[in-house]
Amino acid sequence: QVQLQESGPGLVKPSETLSLTCTVSGGSISRYYWSWIRQPAGKGLEWIGRIYTTGSTNYNPSLKSRVTMSVDTSKNQFSLKLRSVTAADMAVYYCARGSSSPIGDYFHPWGQGTLVTVSS
Amino acid sequence: DIQLTQSPSTLSASVGDRVTITCRASQRISSWLAWYQQKPGKAPKLLIYDASSLESGVPSRFSGSGSGTEFTLTISSLQPDDFATYYCQHYKSYSLWTFGQGTKVEIK
Repeated sequence: QVQLQESGPGLVKPSETLSLTCTVSGGSISRYYWSWIRQPAGKGLEWIGRIYTTGSTNYNPSLKSRVTMSVDTSKNQFSLKLRSVTAADMAVYYCARGSSSPIGDYFHPWGQGTLVTVSS
Repeated sequence: DIQLTQSPSTLSASVGDRVTITCRASQRISSWLAWYQQKPGKAPKLLIYDASSLESGVPSRFSGSGSGTEFTLTISSLQPDDFATYYCQHYKSYSLWTFGQGTKVEIK
């Protein structure tokens, strides 16, 4: 079955750029939407944005000015960059598969998540 | 943005109990609603999509209902493995997709 795995630095300095990659195994990345979702410690879930395999993106308006997502179909990977991070960006970051429809996404499966700490 | 409000925030129940969690949307979202289960240190797991469709492999004791603005997740007979936090999420088109604040199901 399809499995997702996040990777990237667990520690980012304030004002720098958070960069994460999600590797998809057990299936093709093609023809699905792929999302990033985050969860601060002890808090709820926040959808960050999604990318289709053509490179088309949708972002959460509250993060849009700082977010860039990209996809590499040859590697079955997609990536997240979040610029100018602050302590408010500390969270567990999850990647997840959405649907093949542009209308709307529920998420399944999810990666295991990766904790990103923002500290100097 | 469409706000989702779950109730209760915490629920204490015993094994075998019937449990119901409510999710209310601030606007009509048709049936564009999913439910997830999350255990400590783990990623959320999809239980229900399109308000009432059971994801493959999810036990049949889980069920979802509702449309418009009010939705429920029911566990017909609570099992030890079901103690977790549950989240609803809407995915209405042309809207920011948001999650409810979560309902923690604890052992009574």
